[in-house]
Amino acid sequence: EVQLLESGGGLVQPGGSLRLSCAASGFTFSSYALSWVRQAPGKGLEWVSAISGSGGSTFYADSVKGRFAISRDNSKNTLYLQMNSLRAEDTALYYCAKGDATIAGAGIDYWGQGTLVTVSS
Amino acid sequence: QSVLTQPPSASGTPGQRVTISCSGSSSNIASNYVYWYQQLPGTAPKLLIYRDNQRPSGVPDRFSDSRSGTSASLAISGLRSEDEADYYCAAWDDSLSGRVFGGGTKLTVL
Repeated sequence: EVQLLESGGGLVQPGGSLRLSCAASGFTFSSYALSWVRQAPGKGLEWVSAISGSGGSTFYADSVKGRFAISRDNSKNTLYLQMNSLRAEDTALYYCAKGDATIAGAGIDYWGQGTLVTVSS
Repeated sequence: QSVLTQPPSASGTPGQRVTISCSGSSSNIASNYVYWYQQLPGTAPKLLIYRDNQRPSGVPDRFSDSRSGTSASLAISGLRSEDEADYYCAAWDDSLSGRVFGGGTKLTVL
């Protein structure tokens, strides 16, 4: 059974930093791309970033480019999202999501339960 | 404003067939697979349809999709009360080099 468990969310001031983690199990971790997708309160889904199975290819939404960095540790079956220069508009539930292939552009087939990030002074 | 355009709401009565549209462009729907997700209130999204009308195990065949040019549609037949949820379409966008989602459609079962 695929399981994705996010952690690291919390309250942070504007301009601050936060690192999200996603511990995965139930599949061959290095064979699949992973993504972060966020959902602001009462709003729709917004793709944030994706990384290929090997970690060699990454993509970002324009809204976070230059501020967020996605990475993965295939020896620990863990995905990360380093978030810097946080803004109020980054407030959202952040989902870790598994791709259905190894390339970063793969479609998403499984989702975690999310971790809440609140950016406020 | 979402890159993929969905109607904000849809409705139907039990047993009816409803469709939800998803309009995109040549850089996303016309050239890449469309995925559909169901999000029940207070829960994470769940995959409904992937890669041209494929359903994960456990998803009933009441759910189907179709694609024509730059648009796709999700059809739900034999509507049931438990189908009341938000539905999202998604696809990779070659121009943006990123995944794009529709704004979501809230389905109400009357």
